[in-house]
Amino acid sequence: SQTIHQWPATLVQPVGSPLSLECTVEGTSNPNLYWYRQAAGRGLQLLFYSVGIGQISSEVPQNLSASRPQDRQFILSSKKLLLSDSGFYLCAWSVGPDTQYFGPGTRLTVL
Amino acid sequence: QKEVEQNSGPLSVPEGAIASLNCTYSDRVSQSFFWYRQYSGKSPELIMSIYSNGDKEDGRFTAQLNKASQYVSLLIRDSQPSDSATYLCAVNRDYGQNFVFGPGTRLSVLP
Repeated sequence: SQTIHQWPATLVQPVGSPLSLECTVEGTSNPNLYWYRQAAGRGLQLLFYSVGIGQISSEVPQNLSASRPQDRQFILSSKKLLLSDSGFYLCAWSVGPDTQYFGPGTRLTVL
Repeated sequence: QKEVEQNSGPLSVPEGAIASLNCTYSDRVSQSFFWYRQYSGKSPELIMSIYSNGDKEDGRFTAQLNKASQYVSLLIRDSQPSDSATYLCAVNRDYGQNFVFGPGTRLSVLP
C-alpha cells in the first residue's frame, strides 16, 4: 500500500530564515506530487505540482520554490520566510491526474 | 465566479439526521469529482469520488452528480458527532494535472 510522509510535523521559524520541508511517498512509482498551503480557516491553495523528476510547475508566484530530486521525493523551500508564509503545508500524491492523497502536513508558524 | 463554490457553513444537524452538503463548479469540461473530509488540525482524507451522473453510495455516504447543472452533493445519513468536520469538494478539470478545491463546508453534528 502507498504511504506518504511529511516532516517536520510542526515548525516555528523567525522571519527571514530559510525553510525546507520534505515529502516522500512509498509504494508507488512516478507519482504526481503536489504542495498545498492552507492558511488558518481558509481553503487549500495549490503551490506547486510535479509530474516527474526535475519537472516543477508553479501555480502561485511567491518566495517559495520546490524541487523533486528523486521520483518519490518532493521538497518545498524558501530562502527567506515572510510572516505570510505561516500555514499548514500539505503534500499530496496521485497516479496521473486522478485522486489525490494527502500527507499528514506540516504546521509552520513564522514569527 | 469562483471555480468551485461551497457554502462555508457552519451547517448544524442533530445526531441521526441527514446532512446535505452542496458544491457547484464553473468549468463544464470537469470530468471527476471528489469529496474530502478534514478534521480540525488534520489533513484532508478522501471520502469518495464520482465520475458519472447519478448517485454513488458508500456506507452512510451518497455522492450525487449532475453535470448538466454543474452540481455535486454529498449526503451523510444517520449523522454522528464524529462526522463533525470540514468537507471539501474537489473538481478535476482533467487538464493541468491538478484539482480545484472548494473552500469547504463546516459540518457540526449535535448530540
